Amino acid sequence: DAKTTQPNSMESNEEEPVHLPCNHSTISGTDYIHWYRQLPSQGPEYVIHGLTSNVNNRMASLAIAEDRKSSTLILHRATLRDAAVYYCILRDNNAGNMLTFGGGTRLMVKP
Amino acid sequence: GAVVSQHPSWVICKSGTSVKIECRSLDFQATTMFWYRQFPKQSLMLMATSNEGSKATYEQGVEKDKFLINHASLTLSTLTVTSAHPEDSSFYICSAVTARNYGYTFGSGTRLTVV
Repeated sequence: DAKTTQPNSMESNEEEPVHLPCNHSTISGTDYIHWYRQLPSQGPEYVIHGLTSNVNNRMASLAIAEDRKSSTLILHRATLRDAAVYYCILRDNNAGNMLTFGGGTRLMVKP
Repeated sequence: GAVVSQHPSWVICKSGTSVKIECRSLDFQATTMFWYRQFPKQSLMLMATSNEGSKATYEQGVEKDKFLINHASLTLSTLTVTSAHPEDSSFYICSAVTARNYGYTFGSGTRLTVV
């Protein structure tokens, strides 16, 4: 799977929107962009995924650049429970099924 | 939604003993499960891919004789850490592919401490 680059950490204030960036300049045409998050001492949980178009669900929105070389996970109103490590992962549906985790972004939410 | 149940959530064992970790898919069949290991302040590292009814595929550097994986049914995969040593202390996490959200469902993890 292609490599992604994310900031090590970000801070946000509670109730404010958060934009978590991810660069994936070597993305291939068959790579889906997946976002997972991991709360302390828990397994990762699925957040959202997309291929080309922007995506929305109850947890977040995913904005994908037109050239697909970057994407942004948007949390519309951060809560204290959103404090976690957020992982941006590329997965090629034509390859093996495994997910390869990078370093992720540790999001800290201040009350 | 799809649920993967992982037990135990934590375990403390003595050096030289073996520990079994179970991972069950509760409401779906998982032909493939993955086992990850996570050391403090680090990301998840894939250890092996477990396929139902066949031998697991291990990542480079992971000792297959030390980390025994069994996937005897479509809903259960187990990881046994044999002859555990303090350096095996880590957070072990399983996951399974689900078609429901085109994604992966993870277990809650098992924190293993070897003393």
